[in-house]
Amino acid sequence: EVQLVESGGGLVQPGASLKLSCVASGFTFSDYWMSWVRQTPGKTMEWIGDIKYDGSYTNYAPSLKNRFTISRDNAKSTLYLQMSNVRSEDTATYYCTRGDYWGQGVMVTVSS
Amino acid sequence: DVVMTQTPPSLSVAIGQSVSISCKSSQSLVASDKNTYLNWLLQSPGRSPKRLIYQVSKLDSGVPDRFSGSGSEKDFTLKISRVEAEDLGVYYCLQGTHLPTFGAGTKLELK
Repeated sequence: EVQLVESGGGLVQPGASLKLSCVASGFTFSDYWMSWVRQTPGKTMEWIGDIKYDGSYTNYAPSLKNRFTISRDNAKSTLYLQMSNVRSEDTATYYCTRGDYWGQGVMVTVSS
Repeated sequence: DVVMTQTPPSLSVAIGQSVSISCKSSQSLVASDKNTYLNWLLQSPGRSPKRLIYQVSKLDSGVPDRFSGSGSEKDFTLKISRVEAEDLGVYYCLQGTHLPTFGAGTKLELK
């Protein structure tokens, strides 16, 4: 069974950094492009970016490219999202997704 | 950015009724490989999104055939025949031909 389990969210102050993780199981992680998507409290969905199966290439939403970094560790079947200089508008539920499968999401709240 | 205009924002339906949701893109979604990367997702209440349809009309495994997708270029439709209670939630279209973008969602509720 394919499973994607995110972690690392929580309450963070503006300007801080945060790293989210997504552990994959039930499939060969290194065979798939993986993505991060977020959903705001108002339910707007926003694609953050994706990473090639071997980690050699990434794409980002232009508005997030300077602050967010996606990486992966195929030996650990884990996807990461490094968020820096976070802002209140980054408050959202963050999902990792293979496209056809989505994790349960992890909440990030940016507030002082 | 490719803008996905999804309508209506909400639908009130009776069980057994059929409904359609529209999604129009600001640019053609035909990719250089001639495929059209238009997906439909369902987010049931309190759950994470689930993909139902990819490449306009291909059903994901386990998705009932009362769901169907159609369209081309910039104009796409999701049709649900004989709505069941488990179909309630928010439907999103998502294009993957360009940098991915989502529609604003259509909330399907019981009448």
